[in-house]
Amino acid sequence: EAQVTQNPRYLITVTGKKLTVTCSQNMNHEYMSWYRQDPGLGLRQIYYSMNVEVTDKGDVPEGYKVSRKEKRNFPLILESPSPNQTSLYFCASSPRPGYTEAFFGQGTRLTVV
Amino acid sequence: DQQVKQNSPSLSVQEGRISILNCDYTNSMFDYFLWYKKYPAEGPTFLISISSIKDKNEDGRFTVFLNKSAKHLSLHIVPSQPGDSAVYFCAASGGRSQGNLIFGKGTKLSVKP
Repeated sequence: EAQVTQNPRYLITVTGKKLTVTCSQNMNHEYMSWYRQDPGLGLRQIYYSMNVEVTDKGDVPEGYKVSRKEKRNFPLILESPSPNQTSLYFCASSPRPGYTEAFFGQGTRLTVV
Repeated sequence: DQQVKQNSPSLSVQEGRISILNCDYTNSMFDYFLWYKKYPAEGPTFLISISSIKDKNEDGRFTVFLNKSAKHLSLHIVPSQPGDSAVYFCAASGGRSQGNLIFGKGTKLSVKP
């Protein structure tokens, strides 16, 4: 089954404690991205990757890092989480950017206290 | 500045009637538009798309209309069903977005039995 898998689904952490949210897709897609969803703000792109070792900033990259060492994986790293990063995060993949549908993971609800 | 706008945060419709969800955009370079549907606790799923060379695309009960001169698109659902109750996101790509999807804030549709 074609899917995008994120882990964990839920996470509560403390300010400053580094964390990683994993994302993996099994569709051999080149393009992957991370979004955050906040009430009243919709989906905003954090980072995206056009292919292995190619990443770039989206609209709200501050406080986040990503890496793309393998085609299937695109982890999101919060080196020093802060309460304003409390949000619902989605990973997405698509064969190419923009002109095809993107497949989304089920989301990771992160709370930073 | 918000390039994709969904000005109605919510919409309530009776089962069997037509639901019309609206979306406006400001960037004339956008040339591909998509609608995503999102249920609680799930990731967004692709619903329907339209290229700027068309003014209408239909898929079953769902039809998307594009008015380029007005920079406006709409999603029509006929007939509406209770299972259509979800948040609907409009997204656009093209131009300097480099193929990245730019999302609106979403409209929550409630279809009442």
